Amino acid sequence: DAKTTQPPSMDCAEGRAANLPCNHSTISGNEYVYWYRQIHSQGPQYIIHGLKNNETNEMASLIMTEDRKSSTLILPHATLRDTAVYYCIVRVLQGAQKLVFGQGTRLTINP
Amino acid sequence: NAGVMQNPRHLVRRRGQEARLRCSPMKGHSHVYWYRQLPEEGLKFMVYLQKENIIDESGMPKERFSAEFPKEGPSILRIQQVVRGDSAAYFCASSHDIGASGNTIYFGEGSWLTVV
Repeated sequence: DAKTTQPPSMDCAEGRAANLPCNHSTISGNEYVYWYRQIHSQGPQYIIHGLKNNETNEMASLIMTEDRKSSTLILPHATLRDTAVYYCIVRVLQGAQKLVFGQGTRLTINP
Repeated sequence: NAGVMQNPRHLVRRRGQEARLRCSPMKGHSHVYWYRQLPEEGLKFMVYLQKENIIDESGMPKERFSAEFPKEGPSILRIQQVVRGDSAAYFCASSHDIGASGNTIYFGEGSWLTVV
């Protein structure tokens, strides 16, 4: 079962920052938070992951709360091509390494 | 670097036939995962393999489905005696060995199976 909670859908205007929240209140110390997205009819695309600290790459930023019980994925300047389902996944480092997908957030970028 | 390669991208089978889906992981990756996505549903884990070993098959249906990842060659997901309910997108993913930074899993573009 997925260990995260995300809003089912969100809208954002093109050019604005898209902020996607995720709750993972039962996260353990050895678990990472991963973000993926799936554009319609394509394979899931890795975005970013983190453990404790905030992370940034060319696609997005991941902001973690100090207690690690929630995080926010930020797409700084959303474009129409960012319309997709975004998945926040908690994944343990040891043992089975699979990703367990929940329902995600369907993000729609509006012109 | 080539990404995770899946073929065929689209496959049509009649009920009762066999479907074979192939997956070549990214270069240097020795871990392979298979997921299924039914129409309008989420991604469901099926099986996790390392070279010549099945590590976790907790999501595999008990009958008709099998997976392998031989020492040489691609990983194969095999579905025997397909039924209409097997129509879905099948995604393969791969990763390298577990590292301290958390090994990232990368997905292929999927194989779409249609059973008629």
